[in-house]
Amino acid sequence: SYELTQPPSVSVSPGQTASITCSGDKLGDKFACWYQQKPGQSPVLVIYQNNKRPSGIPERFSGSNSGNTATLTIAGTQAMDEADYYCQAWDSRTAFFGGGTKLTVL
Amino acid sequence: QVQLQQSGPGLVKPSQTLSLTCAISGDSVSSNGVAWDWIRQSPSRGLEWLGKTFYRSKWYNDYAPSVRSRININADTSKNQFFLQLNSVTPEDTAVYYCSRVQGSGWSNWFDPWGQGILVTVSS
Repeated sequence: SYELTQPPSVSVSPGQTASITCSGDKLGDKFACWYQQKPGQSPVLVIYQNNKRPSGIPERFSGSNSGNTATLTIAGTQAMDEADYYCQAWDSRTAFFGGGTKLTVL
Repeated sequence: QVQLQQSGPGLVKPSQTLSLTCAISGDSVSSNGVAWDWIRQSPSRGLEWLGKTFYRSKWYNDYAPSVRSRININADTSKNQFFLQLNSVTPEDTAVYYCSRVQGSGWSNWFDPWGQGILVTVSS
Protein backbone atom coordinates (compact mmCIF):
# COMPACT_ATOMS: atom_id res chain seq x y z
CA SER A 1 0.00 0.00 0.00
CA TYR A 2 1.24 3.48 -0.85
CA GLU A 3 0.60 6.41 1.48
CA LEU A 4 0.13 10.05 0.59
CA THR A 5 0.23 12.50 3.49
CA GLN A 6 -1.33 15.96 3.47
CA PRO A 7 -1.70 18.55 6.24
CA PRO A 8 -5.29 18.51 7.55
CA SER A 9 -5.70 22.25 7.17
CA VAL A 10 -4.14 25.33 5.63
CA SER A 11 -5.26 28.91 6.14
CA VAL A 12 -4.58 31.85 3.83
CA SER A 13 -5.65 35.46 3.58
CA PRO A 14 -7.48 36.59 0.44
CA GLY A 15 -5.03 37.62 -2.26
CA GLN A 16 -2.14 35.70 -0.72
CA THR A 17 -0.49 32.50 -1.92
CA ALA A 18 -1.58 29.15 -0.54
CA SER A 19 0.63 26.08 -0.71
CA ILE A 20 -0.64 22.58 0.01
CA THR A 21 1.85 19.73 0.23
CA CYS A 22 1.51 16.02 -0.42
CA SER A 23 4.23 13.64 0.72
CA GLY A 24 4.91 10.10 -0.41
CA ASP A 25 7.87 7.80 -0.87
CA LYS A 26 9.63 8.82 -4.12
CA LEU A 27 6.50 10.69 -5.17
CA GLY A 28 8.63 12.72 -7.58
CA ASP A 29 9.12 9.55 -9.65
CA LYS A 30 5.35 9.37 -10.18
CA PHE A 31 2.75 11.73 -11.62
CA ALA A 32 0.67 13.69 -9.12
CA CYS A 33 -2.82 15.07 -9.60
CA TRP A 34 -4.89 17.41 -7.47
CA TYR A 35 -8.65 17.59 -6.96
CA GLN A 36 -10.80 20.30 -5.42
CA GLN A 37 -13.96 19.33 -3.56
CA LYS A 38 -16.47 21.82 -2.24
CA PRO A 39 -19.13 20.82 0.32
CA GLY A 40 -21.78 18.57 -1.15
CA GLN A 41 -20.06 18.39 -4.54
CA SER A 42 -17.98 15.85 -6.42
CA PRO A 43 -14.22 16.29 -6.73
CA VAL A 44 -12.98 18.38 -9.66
CA LEU A 45 -9.58 17.93 -11.30
CA VAL A 46 -7.45 21.08 -10.95
CA ILE A 47 -3.94 19.77 -11.74
CA TYR A 48 -2.83 16.68 -13.64
CA GLN A 49 0.55 15.31 -14.69
CA ASN A 50 2.20 17.26 -11.83
CA ASN A 51 1.72 20.74 -13.26
CA LYS A 52 -0.87 20.85 -16.03
CA ARG A 53 -4.18 22.67 -15.73
CA PRO A 54 -7.35 21.34 -17.35
CA SER A 55 -9.28 23.78 -19.46
CA GLY A 56 -11.43 26.03 -17.31
CA ILE A 57 -9.12 25.95 -14.28
CA PRO A 58 -7.78 29.43 -13.45
CA GLU A 59 -4.11 30.20 -14.04
CA ARG A 60 -3.65 30.91 -10.33
CA PHE A 61 -3.58 27.13 -9.77
CA SER A 62 -0.18 25.50 -10.33
CA GLY A 63 1.61 22.35 -9.27
CA SER A 64 5.07 20.89 -8.82
CA ASN A 65 6.47 17.50 -7.87
CA SER A 66 9.99 16.61 -6.83
CA GLY A 67 11.69 14.27 -4.41
CA ASN A 68 9.07 13.06 -1.96
CA THR A 69 6.73 16.04 -2.17
CA ALA A 70 4.13 17.36 -4.57
CA THR A 71 2.83 20.89 -4.02
CA LEU A 72 -0.34 22.63 -5.10
CA THR A 73 0.04 26.39 -5.18
CA ILE A 74 -2.80 28.87 -5.44
CA ALA A 75 -1.62 32.38 -6.20
CA GLY A 76 -3.87 35.31 -5.31
CA THR A 77 -6.26 33.02 -3.42
CA GLN A 78 -9.91 33.94 -3.66
CA ALA A 79 -12.81 33.16 -1.36
CA MET A 80 -14.18 30.76 -3.98
CA ASP A 81 -11.03 28.63 -3.58
CA GLU A 82 -12.07 27.60 -0.06
CA ALA A 83 -12.49 23.82 -0.34
CA ASP A 84 -10.93 20.46 0.41
CA TYR A 85 -7.99 19.51 -1.80
CA TYR A 86 -6.80 15.97 -2.44
CA CYS A 87 -3.62 14.76 -4.07
CA GLN A 88 -3.56 11.49 -5.99
CA ALA A 89 -0.96 9.23 -7.56
CA TRP A 90 -0.74 5.71 -8.97
CA ASP A 91 1.40 2.90 -7.61
CA SER A 92 1.37 -0.71 -8.82
CA ARG A 93 -1.73 -0.12 -10.96
CA THR A 94 -3.65 1.19 -7.94
CA ALA A 95 -4.77 4.78 -7.37
CA PHE A 96 -4.02 6.33 -4.00
CA PHE A 97 -5.39 9.54 -2.55
CA GLY A 98 -4.10 11.77 0.19
CA GLY A 99 -6.26 12.36 3.23
CA GLY A 100 -7.21 15.84 2.07
CA THR A 101 -6.43 19.39 3.14
CA LYS A 102 -9.11 21.87 4.12
CA LEU A 103 -8.16 25.27 2.70
CA THR A 104 -9.65 28.15 4.65
CA VAL A 105 -9.60 31.64 3.17
CA LEU A 106 -9.91 34.20 5.95
CA GLN B 1 -18.37 17.51 -22.77
CA VAL B 2 -18.38 14.18 -20.97
CA GLN B 3 -21.01 13.71 -18.28
CA LEU B 4 -21.57 10.79 -15.94
CA GLN B 5 -24.96 10.10 -14.36
CA GLN B 6 -25.11 7.63 -11.50
CA SER B 7 -28.09 5.62 -10.31
CA GLY B 8 -28.81 2.90 -7.80
CA PRO B 9 -30.25 2.22 -4.35
CA GLY B 10 -29.19 4.30 -1.40
CA LEU B 11 -29.78 1.55 1.15
CA VAL B 12 -28.41 -1.99 1.09
CA LYS B 13 -28.76 -4.67 3.76
CA PRO B 14 -25.67 -6.29 5.28
CA SER B 15 -24.42 -9.38 3.39
CA GLN B 16 -26.27 -8.33 0.23
CA THR B 17 -24.89 -6.91 -3.03
CA LEU B 18 -24.41 -3.22 -3.73
CA SER B 19 -25.18 -2.44 -7.38
CA LEU B 20 -24.66 0.94 -9.06
CA THR B 21 -24.90 2.17 -12.64
CA CYS B 22 -22.99 4.98 -14.35
CA ALA B 23 -24.44 6.28 -17.62
CA ILE B 24 -22.01 8.00 -19.97
CA SER B 25 -22.76 10.87 -22.34
CA GLY B 26 -20.21 12.56 -24.57
CA ASP B 27 -17.88 9.54 -24.80
CA SER B 28 -18.07 5.81 -25.43
CA VAL B 29 -17.58 3.16 -22.78
CA SER B 30 -15.50 1.23 -25.32
CA SER B 31 -13.21 4.14 -26.23
CA ASN B 32 -9.54 3.29 -26.52
CA GLY B 33 -7.24 5.23 -24.25
CA VAL B 34 -9.66 5.74 -21.38
CA ALA B 35 -10.90 3.68 -18.46
CA TRP B 36 -14.03 3.78 -16.34
CA ASP B 37 -13.53 3.69 -12.61
CA TRP B 38 -15.36 3.54 -9.32
CA ILE B 39 -14.20 5.43 -6.23
CA ARG B 40 -15.82 5.79 -2.83
CA GLN B 41 -15.50 8.33 -0.04
CA SER B 42 -16.22 7.94 3.65
CA PRO B 43 -15.13 9.87 6.75
CA SER B 44 -13.19 6.88 8.05
CA ARG B 45 -11.45 5.81 4.82
CA GLY B 46 -11.30 9.04 2.82
CA LEU B 47 -11.20 8.67 -0.95
CA GLU B 48 -10.67 5.03 -1.88
CA TRP B 49 -10.21 3.76 -5.42
CA LEU B 50 -12.16 0.54 -6.04
CA GLY B 51 -11.40 -0.48 -9.59
CA LYS B 52 -11.82 0.03 -13.31
CA THR B 53 -12.93 -1.49 -16.56
CA PHE B 54 -11.48 -0.62 -19.95
CA TYR B 55 -11.56 -1.81 -23.55
CA ARG B 56 -8.43 -2.51 -25.59
CA SER B 57 -9.70 -4.88 -28.28
CA LYS B 58 -11.21 -6.82 -25.39
CA TRP B 59 -12.38 -5.94 -21.87
CA TYR B 60 -10.00 -5.72 -18.95
CA ASN B 61 -10.41 -4.96 -15.25
CA ASP B 62 -8.21 -3.81 -12.41
CA TYR B 63 -9.40 -3.95 -8.82
CA ALA B 64 -8.12 -2.59 -5.52
CA PRO B 65 -6.61 -5.34 -3.34
CA SER B 66 -8.89 -4.33 -0.47
CA VAL B 67 -12.06 -5.35 -2.36
CA ARG B 68 -10.73 -7.68 -5.07
CA SER B 69 -12.45 -10.78 -3.68
CA ARG B 70 -15.94 -9.28 -3.80
CA ILE B 71 -16.05 -6.67 -6.57
CA ASN B 72 -17.10 -6.81 -10.20
CA ILE B 73 -17.07 -3.95 -12.70
CA ASN B 74 -18.45 -4.42 -16.18
CA ALA B 75 -19.97 -2.46 -19.04
CA ASP B 76 -22.88 -2.52 -21.46
CA THR B 77 -21.86 -1.03 -24.80
CA SER B 78 -25.44 -0.98 -26.12
CA LYS B 79 -26.49 1.34 -23.27
CA ASN B 80 -23.11 3.11 -22.94
CA GLN B 81 -23.06 2.36 -19.21
CA PHE B 82 -20.79 0.68 -16.73
CA PHE B 83 -21.62 -0.95 -13.44
CA LEU B 84 -20.33 -1.66 -9.96
CA GLN B 85 -21.23 -4.74 -7.98
CA LEU B 86 -19.86 -5.15 -4.48
CA ASN B 87 -20.81 -8.37 -2.75
CA SER B 88 -21.20 -9.29 0.91
CA VAL B 89 -21.39 -5.70 2.09
CA THR B 90 -20.97 -4.64 5.70
CA PRO B 91 -21.59 -1.29 7.43
CA GLU B 92 -17.94 -0.44 6.62
CA ASP B 93 -18.97 -0.19 2.97
CA THR B 94 -21.20 2.77 3.76
CA ALA B 95 -19.86 5.63 1.65
CA VAL B 96 -20.52 8.04 -1.17
CA TYR B 97 -19.76 6.16 -4.37
CA TYR B 98 -18.48 7.97 -7.46
CA CYS B 99 -17.91 6.87 -11.02
CA SER B 100 -15.25 8.59 -13.08
CA ARG B 101 -13.41 8.49 -16.37
CA VAL B 102 -9.67 7.96 -16.30
CA GLN B 103 -7.59 9.34 -19.13
CA GLY B 104 -3.91 9.82 -19.75
CA SER B 105 -1.01 7.74 -21.00
CA GLY B 106 1.60 5.50 -19.53
CA TRP B 107 1.85 6.07 -15.80
CA SER B 108 0.17 9.47 -16.03
CA ASN B 109 -3.56 9.06 -15.57
CA TRP B 110 -6.17 11.28 -14.00
CA PHE B 111 -9.84 11.18 -12.99
CA ASP B 112 -11.98 13.56 -15.01
CA PRO B 113 -14.91 13.99 -14.86
CA TRP B 114 -16.67 12.52 -11.82
CA GLY B 115 -20.27 11.49 -11.45
CA GLN B 116 -22.54 13.25 -9.00
CA GLY B 117 -22.03 10.64 -6.29
CA ILE B 118 -24.50 8.39 -4.51
CA LEU B 119 -24.60 7.87 -0.77
CA VAL B 120 -25.01 4.15 -0.11
CA THR B 121 -25.81 3.15 3.44
CA VAL B 122 -25.39 -0.46 4.56
CA SER B 123 -27.89 -1.13 7.30
CA SER B 124 -30.61 -3.61 8.22
